[in-house]
Amino acid sequence: AQSVTQLDSHVSVSEGTPVLLRCNYSSSYSPSLFWYVQHPNKGLQLLLKYTSAATLVKGINGFEAEFKKSETSFHLTKPSAHMSDAAEYFCVVSDSGYGNKLVFGAGTILRVKS
Amino acid sequence: DAMVIQNPRYQVTQFGKPVTLSCSQTLNHNVMYWYQQKSSQAPKLLFHYYDKDFNNEADTPDNFQSRRPNTSFCFLDIRSPGLGDAAMYLCATSRGAGAAADTQYFGPGTRLTVL
Repeated sequence: AQSVTQLDSHVSVSEGTPVLLRCNYSSSYSPSLFWYVQHPNKGLQLLLKYTSAATLVKGINGFEAEFKKSETSFHLTKPSAHMSDAAEYFCVVSDSGYGNKLVFGAGTILRVKS
Repeated sequence: DAMVIQNPRYQVTQFGKPVTLSCSQTLNHNVMYWYQQKSSQAPKLLFHYYDKDFNNEADTPDNFQSRRPNTSFCFLDIRSPGLGDAAMYLCATSRGAGAAADTQYFGPGTRLTVL
């Protein structure tokens, strides 16, 4: 069975400093991996997706993630945090198959201090 | 712009009074999903439609039903809402299954309050 572990429930950074949100996954085959962001009372917005084409995936709003198979990790980074980045972030693995069920991590709340 | 639309954005209902939430999509995707997201939790899949084929999650209560009259629309019916059903309900779509088509696109959600 596939699973996702987000290693930090809360991360706090200062505006302009780097962001690192950590995610480890478990999958029996090559998975699709996603990062979604959710602002308060909003739906989930896709940040980026990994599908084995390239291990470093660039997403929207300056975010990127690196797939490391040896470490079973898919950490999300951004060089410089902006106040608007404050939100909850979900690392997700797709159980690709009929209907492709998503397996969600528990989420990481990012706080950005001015 | 192609998108996933949910109506209403906020819904208030009374304990036990049936309620219907609506989702529409302009993406022409084959698969539509309904998720329940309670406060400070990850979304939980209730069911999904692959075209007209309905797939219920094993732990989805019978109180929750869904209809998909056509490709564009999907409805979530809660027959007798309880206080525990207060949550954000998210609709999502994907083109299909498999790595090339499994990205799910989410609507803005409907926040359900049960009084």
